[in-house]
This record gives sequence, C-alpha cells and structure tokens, in this order.
Amino acid sequence: DAKTTQPPSMDCAEGRAANLPCNHSTISGNEYVYWYRQIHSQGPQYIIHGLKNNETNEMASLIITEDRKSSTLILPHATLRDTAVYYCIVRGSGGTSYGKLTFGQGTILTVHP
Amino acid sequence: EAQVTQNPRYLITVTGKKLTVTCSQNMNHEYMSWYRQDPGLGLRQIYYSMNVEVTDKGDVPEGYKVSRKEKRNFPLILESPSPNQTSLYFCASGLAGYGYTFGSGTRLTVV
Repeated sequence: DAKTTQPPSMDCAEGRAANLPCNHSTISGNEYVYWYRQIHSQGPQYIIHGLKNNETNEMASLIITEDRKSSTLILPHATLRDTAVYYCIVRGSGGTSYGKLTFGQGTILTVHP
Repeated sequence: EAQVTQNPRYLITVTGKKLTVTCSQNMNHEYMSWYRQDPGLGLRQIYYSMNVEVTDKGDVPEGYKVSRKEKRNFPLILESPSPNQTSLYFCASGLAGYGYTFGSGTRLTVV
C-alpha cells in the first residue's frame, strides 16, 4: 500500500471548517483513500473513502486532487466532539489488499471553543 | 444494532496463562481483523481474515493465534501471554469496498 504523510497536529476553532491534508504521492491507480478517526481510546471510526472523485457524506467531504497524489478531509463545521486523531490510509479495493490495513501516526485535530 | 462486540473489555492476567479475547459481528461481514495499540507505536495489525477458514498475518503476529470457524466470530488467542503483550486490542470487521467497523476495545494487562 502507498505510504501517506500527514501533519502531526492541527488546531481549529469551533464552528469553522477543519481541513486535514494528506499526501500519498506513490498511490497507484486502483488504490482508494480512506479516512478514519479515533477519539481518545475508543475504536477507530470510519469517516469516508474515495478513488478519484470528490465524495461527501453526513460526516465530511473528501477532496482528491486530479493527479491523486494528495487529498483533503473537510469537516465543514467542526465541533468540540471532532477533537480526535485522524488517519489517512491508502489501500487496494480487493483481495488481500483489502485485508491489510496499515495505520500511520495520523493528525491530532484539536477543536477549540 | 450493527456492531462489533469484544469481550472482555478489561482483563488482568498472569504471565503464561492462556487466554482468549472474543470478537463477534452481526453484519455478515467477510473481513475481520485484530489490532493492538500501544503508546508511541500506534495501531498495528496482528491478524486478519478474508473469510471463513482464511487467515493471514498482519504486521505483529508473533505470540498470537486466531481462528475463523464461522463468519461472525474471530477470537484472538494468547497461548502464553507475556508482559510485552500488555496493550489495548481492537477487533474490526468489514465488507470489500467499504469502511471497517471497530469494536470498543479490550484493555489487557499481563503481569
């Protein structure tokens, strides 16, 4: 799986958009970008994933650059409960590529009042 | 409610005493996996299973065993636990092409 690079930490004011970047310059054509978050010591929570088109769900939006070498997770109106570690992961969609899921160090997002 | 259930949530045991941490999912997911999380080392995959009777090693399989005899269950077995297996353990399940659902975690202490 392609390696990802994320900033170790970011801050955001409550009510503002949080934009979390991720670099994945070695991503291959059939690899997806997944985002998870972990609040304190709870189990990681799936947020969103995409291949090359931008995606949006009730939690967040995912913007993937045209060359697919980087992406941005957007939390449109951050709340204090969005304070968490956010993980960007790149992986294949089928076979053993789906099974092997490697978490990096992620980005610690702190939302301030 | 769709969920991944791990038991126990907390466990303190002694070195060498065999133990099993259970994981069960009610979503008919093909894929299941175990992770451990340690300060400074993040989440590391121990074993995963793509379907019944199919298991593969993750990044840190030493000292652990798993089995997948039925689709819903994926127990993690520590035959002879050691203090370096003290950790927070997570089970996950999912379907190909979708995100994983994680359990609430099992905090294991081996003394």
